[in-house]
Amino acid sequence: EVQLVESGGGLVKPGGSLRISCAASGFTFMSYSMNWVRQSPGKGLEWVASISASSSYIYYADSVKGRFTISRDNAKNSLYLEMTSLRAEDTAEYYCARDHYLLGSGNWFDYWGQGTQVTVSS
Amino acid sequence: IQLTQSPSFLSASVGDRVTITCRASQGISSYLAWYQQKPGKAPKVLIYTASTLQSGVPSRFSGRGSGTEFTLTISSLQPEDFATYYCQQLSSYPRSFGQGTKLEIK
Repeated sequence: EVQLVESGGGLVKPGGSLRISCAASGFTFMSYSMNWVRQSPGKGLEWVASISASSSYIYYADSVKGRFTISRDNAKNSLYLEMTSLRAEDTAEYYCARDHYLLGSGNWFDYWGQGTQVTVSS
Repeated sequence: IQLTQSPSFLSASVGDRVTITCRASQGISSYLAWYQQKPGKAPKVLIYTASTLQSGVPSRFSGRGSGTEFTLTISSLQPEDFATYYCQQLSSYPRSFGQGTKLEIK
């Protein structure tokens, strides 16, 4: 069974840093691109960052570029998001999601974790 | 690429047929997915590549479209379908989402 379990969320002051993690199991982690998606309270979904299977390709939303770093450790089946210079508007539930790619069909996010809450407040 | 869903809110009854529209600001071929999200839960994929039903999703859900206009149709609403629905384009980065459509019980 595919499982994605986020951890590391919490309360952090504006300007602070936090690293959240996503532990993957039930599939060959090193074969899949992965993503972070966030959702501010009462708001819609916002894609944050993506990383390819071998970490060769990394993409960020403009809203986090230069402040957030996505990474992965395939030996540990883990995905990370290092967040610095945090702002109140970064307050959100952060989800990791597996990127499923099928030749001829493109991509979609087929499995999601349960999320970890990040709150930026003084 | 901006995705605009309509309507943003939809009130319907069990058994109704409903359609949600997602318009892209530029052509995205068929690289569009639909997700359902219930309160306090992670999103769940329903449809990918515009019209392919994800395994395990009931056949009352269907998707159509290509280019810039897409639809998600629920043929006969069931109580468990009342949720928020999002479209997402996977044609290019950033992987943008629509603003969501909240489907409520009338």
